[in-house]
Amino acid sequence: QKEVEQNSGPLSVPEGAIASLNCTYSDRGSQSFFWYRQYSGKSPELIMFIYSNGDKEDGRFTAQLNKASQYVSLLIRDSQPSDSATYLCAVNPGGYQKVTFGIGTKLQVIP
Amino acid sequence: DADVTQTPRNRITKTGKRIMLECSQTKGHDRMYWYRQDPGLGLRLIYYSFDVKDINKGEISDGYSVSRQAQAKFSLSLESAIPNQTALYFCATSDLGTGASRSDTQYFGPGTRLTVL
Repeated sequence: QKEVEQNSGPLSVPEGAIASLNCTYSDRGSQSFFWYRQYSGKSPELIMFIYSNGDKEDGRFTAQLNKASQYVSLLIRDSQPSDSATYLCAVNPGGYQKVTFGIGTKLQVIP
Repeated sequence: DADVTQTPRNRITKTGKRIMLECSQTKGHDRMYWYRQDPGLGLRLIYYSFDVKDINKGEISDGYSVSRQAQAKFSLSLESAIPNQTALYFCATSDLGTGASRSDTQYFGPGTRLTVL
């Protein structure tokens, strides 16, 4: 069983819409959660991380965490064509365990 | 200057050759990682090191070896390269931190595109 699950997509949304990206994880004791953006051929770059239940907002991005449901999501408001990329979810189990990445969801924003 | 650097950025080699990919960081992080990425397979962990004296295998370590020469340097070697090791390789660093920053956020280098003919 994969530890971090994401739909690989592609997820297509029109420009200006809200893109919703989802991630589930198997380790109930996981402590922190990350969203990375990766453009084709480039390295992943951190968008934001979250460690408390609820929402965390940063500009057009909102991360949502529900530890009871073992679910973390990323909302992108007013999606732009420049947001077209693969979005990686990553989970830190805590302690001396390594962070685990999901396979990533490819997002396409259609002008 | 970039905090995490990788050399070379691109490399084409032949089957059977020994290849070394190098990673250096100025972030002062204790933890370093090597990943490979293939289309449709996501990031796969090859090796990781939580400090200079700690080396751990990841999910796909066969055919690879590593050396942690210092806190700032972590090298990946392919002793005898084969075509299915053609991939994009990333080095990353992280620091567990303390308190609310105890996130273990990973920071990636620019990547090395390796082609084995």
